Amino acid sequence: DIVMTQTPLSSPVTLGQPASISCRSSQSLVHSDGNTYLSWLQQRPGQPPRLLIYKISNRFSGVPDRFSGSGAGTDFTLKISRVEAEDVGVYYCMQATHFPLTFGGGTRVEIK
Amino acid sequence: QVQLVESGGGVVQPGRSLRLSCAASGFTFSSYGMHWVRQAPGKGLEWVAVLSYDGSNEYYADSVKGRFTISRDNSKNTLYLQMDSLRVEDTAVYYCAKAVEVTTRRWFDPWGQGTLVTVSS
Repeated sequence: DIVMTQTPLSSPVTLGQPASISCRSSQSLVHSDGNTYLSWLQQRPGQPPRLLIYKISNRFSGVPDRFSGSGAGTDFTLKISRVEAEDVGVYYCMQATHFPLTFGGGTRVEIK
Repeated sequence: QVQLVESGGGVVQPGRSLRLSCAASGFTFSSYGMHWVRQAPGKGLEWVAVLSYDGSNEYYADSVKGRFTISRDNSKNTLYLQMDSLRVEDTAVYYCAKAVEVTTRRWFDPWGQGTLVTVSS
């Protein structure tokens, strides 16, 4: 199975400041069809997860443009340009290139 | 709007069975792949299974393969997860989630609110 490793485990951020989360996969996530199926999800406290980013850098419908994704191959990054209070929660990367699908361990974003 | 409502969770003894349901509304259920994902208390997310729109293709996590079965009834707009030979480590909130696009199951949203399964003697 593909192992997804996220860093940091926790990210205390000042409101209005940027935050960055890294995700590394144990194997390349480039599919034979040429796509890279790396997604980012947000889970606010007490809520189910929701999709933020798919295929590395595509923002899902309704996701603010302060969220952006980048990367290639085995190394990926989620950036929040200016953290707002509503961004508090746990962020997960997920690969869907190889079955079984696997998630990173999560990064908790909290306000300093 | 799209709505997914899970049910069927509860407390069950190790070795017993349970069937979860996910009632879907607000979209053409028969056109979309569907997933089950679980989250143990205080832990991260673990993908469980996926089923194609017509029920013809299914994949499972190694941890549940041979014990869990994903299925669907498109006439009832309902997804199921039959869980047999339950173990203590299957204790989790179980979420169903809808594939975003008809043509791929590789990203999914929204998720339901989840149903808690507790396996304990």
